[in-house]
Amino acid sequence: QTVVTQEPSLTVSPGGTVTLTCASSTGAVTSGSHASWFQQRPGQAPRSLIYNTNNKHSWTPARFSGSLLGGKAALTLSSVQPEDEAEYWCLLYSGDAWVFGGGTKLTVL
Amino acid sequence: QLQLQESGPRLVKPSETLSLTCTVSAASISSSTSCWVWIRQTPGNGLEHIGCLYYNGNPYYNPSLKSRVTMSVDTSRDQFSLKLSSVTAADTGVYYCARHRATATDRSIDYWGQGTLVTVSS
Repeated sequence: QTVVTQEPSLTVSPGGTVTLTCASSTGAVTSGSHASWFQQRPGQAPRSLIYNTNNKHSWTPARFSGSLLGGKAALTLSSVQPEDEAEYWCLLYSGDAWVFGGGTKLTVL
Repeated sequence: QLQLQESGPRLVKPSETLSLTCTVSAASISSSTSCWVWIRQTPGNGLEHIGCLYYNGNPYYNPSLKSRVTMSVDTSRDQFSLKLSSVTAADTGVYYCARHRATATDRSIDYWGQGTLVTVSS
């Protein structure tokens, strides 16, 4: 089965910019991977931020954006706020299966 | 706004069957553009897509769990259910139900239940 890899942890300063990535063991992530990104704060259910690579929900803050970058899916946070400290998960469609990444713990410090 | 709520036993014995139900409110479960999904979060494997089911009963199951999973839908009650057989301690975790959109331009998992912690223990 496909393995989806994310950075285990990243640290960013308030007001800064950070990019999280999501790679597939089967090769390049494409639009057909339908990449999604979720934010999860402690004790809460995951919340969808980005779907179909770069689409936002009505509730997604403008500082979040999704893209494809060097064969990976990417989530970029600009003007990072303290409340952005959370776990971030990506989800890809690969080999007829939906597979989550291992998550990235983002620290705002 | 669409809401989902999980219900079911919180403690299951090893080798028995885990059974959960998700009640959907403020939306009809009988939508051709929605696949009703179960996702779990375990200490060992993070988030895992267990499977999803359309209102007409057409299921998709995660290949790694397929032999143990059965999902069903009750359109009269706007509910869908999960059964996971032969559970072990590795199945302990938080189980979420959610809506997985299924259109050409929207494959989001947009609405989630709050999750329910299920523990497998004797």
